[in-house]
Amino acid sequence: DAGVIQSPRHEVTEMGQEVTLRCKPISGHNSLFWYRQTMMRGLELLIYFNNNVPIDDSGMPEDRFSAKMPNASFSTLKIQPSEPRDSAVYFCASSLPQGHDNEQFFGPGTRLTVL
Amino acid sequence: AQSVTQLGSHVSVSEGALVLLRCNYSSSVPPYLFWYVQYPNQGLQLLLKYTSAATLVKGINGFEAEFKKSETSFHLTKPSAHMSDAAEYFCAVSPQGRNQFYFGTGTSLTVIP
Repeated sequence: DAGVIQSPRHEVTEMGQEVTLRCKPISGHNSLFWYRQTMMRGLELLIYFNNNVPIDDSGMPEDRFSAKMPNASFSTLKIQPSEPRDSAVYFCASSLPQGHDNEQFFGPGTRLTVL
Repeated sequence: AQSVTQLGSHVSVSEGALVLLRCNYSSSVPPYLFWYVQYPNQGLQLLLKYTSAATLVKGINGFEAEFKKSETSFHLTKPSAHMSDAAEYFCAVSPQGRNQFYFGTGTSLTVIP
């Protein structure tokens, strides 16, 4: 299996621009999680989906952030407009349906720099 | 409510010495417990997991952890530290029957030559 795939791996953009991060979960996994990691705040859960439906988006910082999962094999995290404080590493993770052990499989992350 | 506490945000050990990283959890239902490792500029990788089977769990790279229900702990150990063990370690709890995940704040391990 290819594992969780994220793109791009690195993104550098200017303040005010729209940024779209992409994630392909492991085939057969029906839960998908978006995390943000910074030195100051550590690892934060932004949102998670179950069967393509957003279940908990309480971690999304503000309205500038939005996430979608149009199908079981693709999800996006969009920031519009981006700000320098959004600079972080964004991770996507996926897991098997409930009834398994809930292990999350992480992608390699997208390092976002907003200038 | 579920939560994870990792005591010590930074731990330093000498090469060859015992590694002990502490994790305590709280969970209203029987939990699954995990340790993940993150090497610099990489994603999180599973070290080991407790899923209600044996309380002593062995993982990759010589690490192991013991689930102690009475102490609500899941400490990570390795008998002899190697330079390559230098990384960030995260403990996580996930209640059985739910797919929520709660991470600790992480412990940065430094190995001194």
